Amino acid sequence: DIVMTQSPDSLAVSLGERATINCKSSQSVLYSSNNKNYLAWYQLKPGQPPKVLIYWASTRESGVPDRFSGSGSGTDFTLTISSLQAEDVAVYFCQQFYSTPLTFGGGTKVEIK
Amino acid sequence: EVQLLESGGGLVQPGGSLRLSCAASGFSFSSYAMSWVRQAPGKGLEWVSAISGGGESTYYADSVKGRFTVSRDNSKNTLSLQMNSLRAEDTAMYYCAKDYSTGLYYSDYWGQGTQVTVSS
Repeated sequence: DIVMTQSPDSLAVSLGERATINCKSSQSVLYSSNNKNYLAWYQLKPGQPPKVLIYWASTRESGVPDRFSGSGSGTDFTLTISSLQAEDVAVYFCQQFYSTPLTFGGGTKVEIK
Repeated sequence: EVQLLESGGGLVQPGGSLRLSCAASGFSFSSYAMSWVRQAPGKGLEWVSAISGGGESTYYADSVKGRFTVSRDNSKNTLSLQMNSLRAEDTAMYYCAKDYSTGLYYSDYWGQGTQVTVSS
């Protein structure tokens, strides 16, 4: 199984400041035949279902604000919120869909400082 | 508009069974793989099971293999999860999720979830 490790477990950022979340996979999730990283990022707020933000490691889902961006390749990935807004308070998860079982990172809780 | 509505959750004793259902609408159901993902209280997300668009391929997490069975009825746009031999650690909110494609990729739409509690 591919183990996804996120860091930090939580972070507190001032409104308007940058938040950076890291995700590391235990093996590469880059599929060589199409040069795509099989990595997605989700946002989870209390009382709501998860919402996909980013897929293929760096493609923003339709309707997601452009302050959210994803980067990285192979085994190391980053989700960046360029200017934190109050509505971004949530837990963020990375997920690999390179192989089954699909696996999630442990989550990163983002709060306002 | 894509809609996913889960049902069938509830309180069950250890060793018991439950059958979850997910009614889908707003998209061509048979063209997409579907997944079940759960979140235990105070924990993160855990992928549970998935099924390909045509139903010919099924996938399970090791934690549920042999106890849970995923199925779909494409004529009724319904996804199901039969859960047997339930354990306390199966207590969670269970989400039905639509895959991006007919294969197994990321999930682009999610239901609101149905709560499963396993307790005596």
